Amino acid sequence: DQQVKQNSPSLSVQEGRISILNCDYTNSMFDYFLWYKKYPAEGPTFLISISSIKDKNEDGRFTVFLNKSAKHLSLHIVPSQPGDSAVYFCAASDSNYQLIWGAGTKLIIKP
Amino acid sequence: DTGVSQNPRHKITKRGQNVTFRCDPISEHNRLYWYRQTLGQGPEFLTYFQNEAQLEKSRLLSDRFSAERPKGSFSTLEIQRTEQGDSAMYLCASSRGRANYGYTFGSGTRLTVV
Repeated sequence: DQQVKQNSPSLSVQEGRISILNCDYTNSMFDYFLWYKKYPAEGPTFLISISSIKDKNEDGRFTVFLNKSAKHLSLHIVPSQPGDSAVYFCAASDSNYQLIWGAGTKLIIKP
Repeated sequence: DTGVSQNPRHKITKRGQNVTFRCDPISEHNRLYWYRQTLGQGPEFLTYFQNEAQLEKSRLLSDRFSAERPKGSFSTLEIQRTEQGDSAMYLCASSRGRANYGYTFGSGTRLTVV
């Protein structure tokens, strides 16, 4: 039973344009949602999070949007840069220790 | 502080052997987590410690898996009688507080069981 789903295994975006990564979840008890970025041969790196009581959080080029009624969140990267090419994971918190993860979306930024 | 350190980076072992991985967390972080990641999947929670206490271990995959954090600093994850299905990346993370504030992950130990 996948509680957190990232339905796009990969996404290709032109440099300078907007990248939009999507994530769906099933458990309405999740209280926080997080996005992580992962380069090959490295562990995931925390990017940005959002509380379930908010609908938007912004940090520089990264913005996360949460639509609770649709159980959907998205990560927007504007403008996209070559260094943004990585695998992006969506994760959700249902406790104060465990994160439930999606399978990841590989983002490729084309020059 | 150089972040979360995991050793070894790679381990190849024969089926049936025991393996042990080490994790050194960020020194001021009191929480330490172990996750497993297989190809094409997100990390899967295994266990976590707050200081030296192992507060959740029911997600360890079988009784062949065990973890310790004897003095509340570094941690070890042991897999006994390894099986080919144990081949995966084993990730360690640490945090100062709740998971929703974000963990800091190490680079992982890639285990291959032949």
